Amino acid sequence: GAGVSQSPSNKVTEKGKDVELRCDPISGHTALYWYRQSLGQGLEFLIYFQGNSAPDKSGLPSDRFSAERTGGSVSTLTIQRTQQEDSAVYLCASSLRQGGRSGANVLTFGAGSRLTVL
Amino acid sequence: AQSVTQPDIHITVSEGASLELRCNYSYGATPYLFWYVQSPGQGLQLLLKYFSGDTLVQGIKGFEAEFKRSQSSFNLRKPSVHWSDAAEYFCAVGPYSSASKIIFGSGTRLSIRP
Repeated sequence: GAGVSQSPSNKVTEKGKDVELRCDPISGHTALYWYRQSLGQGLEFLIYFQGNSAPDKSGLPSDRFSAERTGGSVSTLTIQRTQQEDSAVYLCASSLRQGGRSGANVLTFGAGSRLTVL
Repeated sequence: AQSVTQPDIHITVSEGASLELRCNYSYGATPYLFWYVQSPGQGLQLLLKYFSGDTLVQGIKGFEAEFKRSQSSFNLRKPSVHWSDAAEYFCAVGPYSSASKIIFGSGTRLSIRP
């Protein structure tokens, strides 16, 4: 597509429920990132994918968080047994590829998925 | 370890005044450096980037930034701010080569005084 698409745009859930957040990157972009932005906070790195593999999962806050990417395209971030502290905007971004001298690391961000855990 | 520091949480400047937002980084290799802007209710937009070459880079909306390797800094500047520049500004650092994460600073919120 023309941009990075995220769904849902808003999700309200009850504590303890599982949620799935979806990201559809720009066609042809091989690198995909997930970030979390809590109210008034900066962007917290969660995970990134190069193709379908995730070389760096170091930002995932706990084992309740997981992410996958299939077909080198769509990615799903899953939060199990949600807690109130999981409330945040989850941002997805993609780039043409990582590394190299071409300057292809420029991220294009989606509009985000706002998660509210009651 | 990689890190990006934006020491100013909130800055207020008068419309028409000059602006400088600070960014310091710690990175083990030659970095790519970026500034992004997040306007109220909007997504993140790239303002400018530095990869190599001229250390003074020009971006959109009249912004520029200067890479100073000796100071590990990449400060953002604008000679004359407009009310529409009120937003959150994020500095980021990423890999020059090979696979690694792109990390962001905590952001600086810019308010414009009429």
